[in-house]
Amino acid sequence: QLQLQESGPGLVKPSETLSLTCTVSGDSISSTSYYWGWIRQPPGKGLEWIGHVYYSGNTYYNPSLKSRVTISVDTSKNQFSLKLSSVTAADTAVYYCARRLLGVVINWFDPWGQGTLVTVSS
Amino acid sequence: QSVLTQPPSVSGAPGQRVTISCTGSSSNIGAGYDVHWYQQLPGTAPKLLMYGNTNRPSGVPDRFSGSKSGTSASLAITGLQAEDEADYYCQSYDSSLSGSNVFGTGTKVTVL
Repeated sequence: QLQLQESGPGLVKPSETLSLTCTVSGDSISSTSYYWGWIRQPPGKGLEWIGHVYYSGNTYYNPSLKSRVTISVDTSKNQFSLKLSSVTAADTAVYYCARRLLGVVINWFDPWGQGTLVTVSS
Repeated sequence: QSVLTQPPSVSGAPGQRVTISCTGSSSNIGAGYDVHWYQQLPGTAPKLLMYGNTNRPSGVPDRFSGSKSGTSASLAITGLQAEDEADYYCQSYDSSLSGSNVFGTGTKVTVL
């Protein structure tokens, strides 16, 4: 059964770079049928799509975050990663990784990792 | 800011029917893009509840149903149960935002 697990520091200082990794088990991240994505949820607020990556390295980012976001994939480790630079308190959120179907129409996220809380504070 | 608008909250007694709307525009739902729904139980990650407007993943009870018309979509829960108390989010694609997946603002369902 496919499982995704986020990992990374739970506390990041303002102006620094947030780095998270999602480890995929139960399926190959090199599958040609899926993207691998990141979504975040500030405390008490709704979901925000951050971006997603294909195994080849092709990426798609939320335009509002594009200048600060890098998503990459490591097929040898079956992992993909998120980097968000110049963070502020507004970037405090639970960060989820998820598998996304490949396509404009078939574009739902399933399954999701359990999420990891990242707090931006000095 | 989300481009898909949902009511902040809906409530109903056990056994009743509730509906959650998801209102978009001509660049997302109105452009023909499918709507998907997620259920987020307290303290847990979102879970896919409905995909392609009307399709339930395996294991989702048939008291959950979805529909779409024009620039809006709806999720209905019939025979409301205490375990349905959760946050619900719609999701679609928006052609005005390159490569963008967009989520709704979210709706809290309370079982009275």
